[in-house]
Amino acid sequence: GESVGLHLPTLSVQEGDNSIINCAYSNSASDYFIWYKQESGKGPQFIIDIRSNMDKRQGQRVTVLLNKTVKHLSLQIAATQPGDSAVYFCAENYNAGNMLTFGGGTRLMVKP
Amino acid sequence: DADVTQTPRNRITKTGKRIMLECSQTKGHDRMYWYRQDPGLGLRLIYYSFDVKDINKGEISDGYSVSRQAQAKFSLSLESAIPNQTALYFCATSDPGLVTDTQYFGPGTRLTVL
Repeated sequence: GESVGLHLPTLSVQEGDNSIINCAYSNSASDYFIWYKQESGKGPQFIIDIRSNMDKRQGQRVTVLLNKTVKHLSLQIAATQPGDSAVYFCAENYNAGNMLTFGGGTRLMVKP
Repeated sequence: DADVTQTPRNRITKTGKRIMLECSQTKGHDRMYWYRQDPGLGLRLIYYSFDVKDINKGEISDGYSVSRQAQAKFSLSLESAIPNQTALYFCATSDPGLVTDTQYFGPGTRLTVL
């Protein structure tokens, strides 16, 4: 993941629209990726994960896409709701014996 | 995640004081971690433990120490707190599979060092 310093990139969307949050990961050997959601004042919460042998995985209202060629991960949220407002960040891992590496995060703001 | 609890949730202290942050988990996971989060930055690993007898330094261990008292408990100490240790601190646990090692986080401790 990439660090974005003191200022988080922000994505502002209208309630009901779809959201796409992007993440560029750093290690071409990474074989497992996770998206976390962090609401204000709370700890990061697991949303969805994907292994490197897949390029797409769907959950409830969320889809993760993995493009290993360009080391890019995206999180798509369908019909974005006010409760989706949070900071989203990706994490990457290569084999279960190693640490997760976290990206800096993107702030999603949902306008009513 | 209610399965991972941290105490205290907020703490204000003065420079030079010794501080202990505690983490407990009921998930039965062997692996536990301590991270700090600064505004606008990602999580940075301080220490981690893969079982009760295992302690490892992370990316930013200087100024911190840990104790793994039991499988369910992992505490973080600041021996002599300094203002640049003001941050959010998160504990996490995991139970790795063959490929995956999803971490589950506690609610965090907001520490302010004056």
